[in-house]
Amino acid sequence: GAGVSQSPSNKVTEKGKDVELRCDPISGHTALYWYRQRLGQGLEFLIYFQGNSAPDKSGLPSDRFSAERTGESVSTLTIQRTQQEDSAVYLCASSLYGTDNQPQHFGDGTRLSIL
Amino acid sequence: AQSVSQHNHHVILSEAASLELGCNYSYGGTVNLFWYVQYPGQHLQLLLKYFSGDPLVKGIKGFEAEFIKSKFSFNLRKPSVQWSDTAEYFCAVNAGKLIFGTGTRLQVFP
Repeated sequence: GAGVSQSPSNKVTEKGKDVELRCDPISGHTALYWYRQRLGQGLEFLIYFQGNSAPDKSGLPSDRFSAERTGESVSTLTIQRTQQEDSAVYLCASSLYGTDNQPQHFGDGTRLSIL
Repeated sequence: AQSVSQHNHHVILSEAASLELGCNYSYGGTVNLFWYVQYPGQHLQLLLKYFSGDPLVKGIKGFEAEFIKSKFSFNLRKPSVQWSDTAEYFCAVNAGKLIFGTGTRLQVFP
C-alpha cells in the first residue's frame, strides 16, 4: 500500500479483555515502531523492530504488553487484561532503515477505549 | 535520559501573524531532529528534518527551523501563518529511538 495501515481504527473493549492491534508498514520498510499517545500527552515510544527482531522494547509499560512482527512486514501489538489506563491512540510507524536519520512514516492509529 | 521539551502547549494566532514554536532537547550525542505535524483528522506527517550541515532547514508549506547547538534548540518558524496551519506540532529527536515532545496545538483564526 501507499502508506502505513493500522487496524482497527477504533476499538472499544471491557476492562480485563485482551486486544490485538495490527500494523501493515510501507512495503520494503525494514524498521517498524509502535507508539502510544494518551489524551493530552505526547507520543510515548513502546517498541522498535528491525526486521522481525525487537532490539528495543524498553518502552513497553508492563508484561501485559507484547508485540511481534512476522515476514518483516505485519506487526501485532497485544495488550492482555486491559486496564483503563491503557486507553490511548496506538500509533505505528515504519522507516526504510532503522537508522537515526530516517524519517518515520506514521499510520492513522488505533483509538483504544477501555470501559 | 534524552528528552524533548515544547514549552508552548497551545498557541492561538490570527492569519498573517508570525509563528515561532519552541523546542529544546537534552541529548549529548549527535542528534537528528524532526518536526512532525498532525492536521485535524489526519495522521502524523513529517514537516522538516535536520541531520547535519546548514542549521537552518526549510520544510513544506513555508515552515523552517533553526538548529542552535549551543542552546540545544530546534525552534519552528513561519513568517505568516494561514488558517490551514491549524494543527498539532510535535518536535522529536532521534537518538536510537524517536523521542517526542508533548506537542503544541496551534489554532489560526481567519
